[in-house]
Amino acid sequence: NAGVMQNPRHLVRRRGQEARLRCSPMKGHSHVYWYRQLPEEGLKFMVYLQKENIIDESGMPKERFSAEFPKEGPSILRIQQVVRGDSAAYFCASSPNFGAYEQYFGPGTRLTVT
Amino acid sequence: GESVGLHLPTLSVQEGDNSIINCAYSNSASDYFIWYKQESGKGPQFIIDIRSNMDKRQGQRVTVLLNKTVKHLSLQIAATQPGDSAVYFCAETPGNTPLVFGKGTRLSVIA
Repeated sequence: NAGVMQNPRHLVRRRGQEARLRCSPMKGHSHVYWYRQLPEEGLKFMVYLQKENIIDESGMPKERFSAEFPKEGPSILRIQQVVRGDSAAYFCASSPNFGAYEQYFGPGTRLTVT
Repeated sequence: GESVGLHLPTLSVQEGDNSIINCAYSNSASDYFIWYKQESGKGPQFIIDIRSNMDKRQGQRVTVLLNKTVKHLSLQIAATQPGDSAVYFCAETPGNTPLVFGKGTRLSVIA
């Protein structure tokens, strides 16, 4: 049973470009969470999605950031017009049930904005 | 409050000794707590969890202690091995809100 998969593992973007990060949850999991981690810091919650629904986006910046989890395919975290401050590791976690329990993390995408 | 940009606290232990990593949590309504291990360049890996109706839970070589009175959580690792070197995070939630992660502690095992 494959774990949570994220791609790309590393992404380099110039300021002003768009970044698209993908997350495929574990088989049988329909709940996805996105977190951001700056160097030497803990993970900060961004958004919680269920298939075709955003459940909680309280941690996501109001501008330039969006997330989706379509009926088919991976969850996508999209960052428009990236700035240097967006450089971070972005982690996706999935769970089989509603709520924060039993979250399994992917390997992350390291975004570097030059 | 949270601190931004500070270096992680580091715990150095000799191989074979026991390690104790501490975490203070902030939300008295939290009823579920998890310890994660994060190795360099990887995602957090679940170690052990505990619910608020317990004060101790044991796994393989790891024990989590919960003191709700002072809102304190600890992770004990028995017979620490070089492979235990990583950053350890505690996380908390009341259950219907997102996990809140602590700042982390870097464990360094000296062979």
